[in-house]
Amino acid sequence: QKEVEQNSGPLSVPEGAIASLNCTYSDRVSQSFFWYRQYSGKSPELIMSIYSNGDKEDGRFTAQLNKASQYVSLLIRDSQPSDSATYLCAVSLGTDKLIFGTGTRLQVFP
Amino acid sequence: SAVISQKPSRDICQRGTSLTIQCQVDSQVTMMFWYRQQPGQSLTLIATANQGSEATYESGFVIDKFPISRPNLTFSTLTVSNMSPEDSSIYLCSVDSLNSQYFGPGTRLTVT
Repeated sequence: QKEVEQNSGPLSVPEGAIASLNCTYSDRVSQSFFWYRQYSGKSPELIMSIYSNGDKEDGRFTAQLNKASQYVSLLIRDSQPSDSATYLCAVSLGTDKLIFGTGTRLQVFP
Repeated sequence: SAVISQKPSRDICQRGTSLTIQCQVDSQVTMMFWYRQQPGQSLTLIATANQGSEATYESGFVIDKFPISRPNLTFSTLTVSNMSPEDSSIYLCSVDSLNSQYFGPGTRLTVT
């Protein structure tokens, strides 16, 4: 069983819409959760981190964490074509080691 | 966040040879990490490198194939030894800063 699961997509949304990206994880001791954005041919860029249940907002991005359901999501409001990328969910088990999901490819069309 | 550079940015190598990838950070960090991202795949951790101690390797990765050096708190190298086409991948170093990991630009390796 994969430890961190994401729908590979592509997730296609029109410009201006809300994109919703989802991630589930299997290990209940997971403590820290991260969303990275990766453009084609580039390295991952940290967008959000979240450590406790609930929502965390940063600009157009909102991360949501539900530890009971072992679920973390990323919402992107007012999606722009420049948001088109692969979004990687990563989970830390309390050590510095990160476990990555396979990523969801997001396409925002004008 | 830390500024991370890697050399080389890309290389094409023949099978059986070795390549050493360098990772430089603009500030002192305790832990540095080496990842591999194979084409179309996500990131897989190869090893964790602490200054002054041997690297800790993940399952499926061994020191003879991927020797790592960490001579100081701002620098690390990863060597890919006795390369085969299956080693064609992007190799990324990352550092932990303020409880988050930041990645270097990566080294794109092609083995022919």
